[in-house]
Amino acid sequence: NAGVTQTPKFRVLKTGQSMTLLCAQDMNHEYMYWYRQDPGMGLRLIHYSVGEGTTAKGEVPDGYNVSRLKKQNFLLGLESAAPSQTSVYFCASSPRGQGKNYEQYFGPGTRLTVT
Amino acid sequence: AQSVAQPEDQVNVAEGNPLTVKCTYSVSGNPYLFWYVQYPNRGLQFLLKYITGDNLVKGSYGFEAEFNKSQTSFHLKKPSALVSDSALYFCAVRGQNAGNNRKLIWGLGTSLAVNP
Repeated sequence: NAGVTQTPKFRVLKTGQSMTLLCAQDMNHEYMYWYRQDPGMGLRLIHYSVGEGTTAKGEVPDGYNVSRLKKQNFLLGLESAAPSQTSVYFCASSPRGQGKNYEQYFGPGTRLTVT
Repeated sequence: AQSVAQPEDQVNVAEGNPLTVKCTYSVSGNPYLFWYVQYPNRGLQFLLKYITGDNLVKGSYGFEAEFNKSQTSFHLKKPSALVSDSALYFCAVRGQNAGNNRKLIWGLGTSLAVNP
């Protein structure tokens, strides 16, 4: 099992450019999440999905879009990157089940810099 | 409002000494509580959880946590620290309100440094 993988690992964008971050999991998990991690801010949830074809907003969704066309993949898009989106982005997944759905498995992260 | 507080940004402990990383929470009803660890340049890893039952929960890598309902705390402990335990530790609680009941509410993290 590869677990949760993220592509790319690093990226530098210019303001206004767009990009898509890919998250893939091979554990057949129902739930998937995108977080950003910034110094002093902890983890903040951007968007999440409770199943294929469904997505929902987290606490900081502005400037991001997501799609979950396949159960194993969760894509995070930045349509017009801004310097405020410089961050480390983590994808996570978790299985369905009482209590189990909060045991999240994290990817290694994508370090994004917007200049 | 639901919240999690980790009152210490950093904890320093000597190798071989016991360690405690503190967490307090504010939720209505029965909490589901979690600890995660993040090693440098890595994603977070689940350590342990409390849902119900025994107040002392054992987890990975020799860690344990004690749920204290009266003090609304869930402190992470280890009897004998290792240098390799140096990492960032996050406490989290299950969201309970409509709209966040499938999500975790995270503390800001505590950096643990174990000195040789």
